[in-house]
Amino acid sequence: EDQVTQSPEALRLQEGESSSLNCSYTVSGLRGLFWYRQDPGKGPEFLFTLYSAGEEKEKERLKATLTKKESFLHITAPKPEDSATYLCAVQAADSGYALNFGKGTSLLVTP
Amino acid sequence: DAGVTQSPTHLIKTRGQQVTLRCSPISGHKSVSWYQQVLGQGPQFIFQYYEKEERGRGNFPDRFSARQFPNYSSELNVNALLLGDSALYLCASKRTGESYEQYFGPGTRLTVT
Repeated sequence: EDQVTQSPEALRLQEGESSSLNCSYTVSGLRGLFWYRQDPGKGPEFLFTLYSAGEEKEKERLKATLTKKESFLHITAPKPEDSATYLCAVQAADSGYALNFGKGTSLLVTP
Repeated sequence: DAGVTQSPTHLIKTRGQQVTLRCSPISGHKSVSWYQQVLGQGPQFIFQYYEKEERGRGNFPDRFSARQFPNYSSELNVNALLLGDSALYLCASKRTGESYEQYFGPGTRLTVT
């Protein structure tokens, strides 16, 4: 059975303090791994798709990387506006287009 | 371009009632998926529709049903509501072809009392 585990559950950072969020996964045939950002009471906002081990994608202060067992979302010099829940999801090659999400990491960045 | 839209924004229903939620995909997107997100959890896949046909179904009871219309908009119906159906219901649309990204709407917050 496909599984996605995100850690830590919650993370508190000071503004400018870089860190990484982890997404461990088991899936029978990975089609893609997706990162989303979700603000309270809103729908998830698409950030990145990673397709194969070794791939990296960057957007502003965020950088996502992928290995065969896990993905990391690196946040460099975060700002308070980066506070949100970050969700990781995998899509298996035999799942149609269903996304299997982890529970997310709740990030709080304080000034 | 407008993103995925959903209506209503909020809804309060009583146990045993039925509810219909609506979704309009991004213009040009032909695939729509529905997800349920309970507080503190990640979204869970309910259905996927493409070209008006069901292409995938998650582990949800038959009380949940959906359909897609010729203009690619979609409805999610839930019958015989239970307290546990209280959640944020999300709709996502996807471009056809080799792109696999799904773009989510703002969701409908359903409260069952």
